[in-house]
Amino acid sequence: EAQVTQNPRYLITVTGKKLTVTCSQNMNHEYMSWYRQDPGLGLRQIYYSMNVEVTDKGDVPEGYKVSRKEKRNFPLILESPSPNQTSLYFCASSLIRGSYNEQFFGPGTRLTVL
Amino acid sequence: GQQLNQSPQSMFIQEGEDVSMNCTSSSIFNTWLWYKQDPGEGPVLLIALYKAGELTSNGRLTAQFGITRKDSFLNISASIPSDVGIYFCAGLPGGGGADGLTFGKGTHLIIQP
Repeated sequence: EAQVTQNPRYLITVTGKKLTVTCSQNMNHEYMSWYRQDPGLGLRQIYYSMNVEVTDKGDVPEGYKVSRKEKRNFPLILESPSPNQTSLYFCASSLIRGSYNEQFFGPGTRLTVL
Repeated sequence: GQQLNQSPQSMFIQEGEDVSMNCTSSSIFNTWLWYKQDPGEGPVLLIALYKAGELTSNGRLTAQFGITRKDSFLNISASIPSDVGIYFCAGLPGGGGADGLTFGKGTHLIIQP
């Protein structure tokens, strides 16, 4: 089954404790992206990657890191989480062909930073 | 980044009614996408539009890519309880796929029995 998977689905942590949220897709998509979703603000892009070893900042990259060592995986790293990073996070992937960018989303990771 | 204005923010309707929502932008987009998000899940793609003026249907859903390339609408006919959720528009700006999608803030659809 074609899908985007994220782990963990739920995470409660404390300020300053490094964490990683994994994302994996089995569709051989070049493009992968991370979003955060907050009430009243919709989906905002954190980082995206056009292919292996190619990553770029989205609209809200501060406090986050990503890596793309393999095509299928795109982990999101919070080196020193803070309470304002409490949010719902989504990973997405897509083929890129000109204007084609129909992104498929993972199920989400709900992060709470105390 | 780009800004998309999605309206209405929420809709309270009776089952069986038709629904209409739209997105507008101050800049041109090459692609418009409409997603639906159910509680506790990720957004799911409903309709994709790639040409100005394009009108596309998916069952009871119809979406159009505005002629000016700065707007799009989504209509749902004869709403049913499973239509409840948050609907997002998303646009791909003129720079192409590398720039990533910009999302509207969503329309909450609530259906009253």
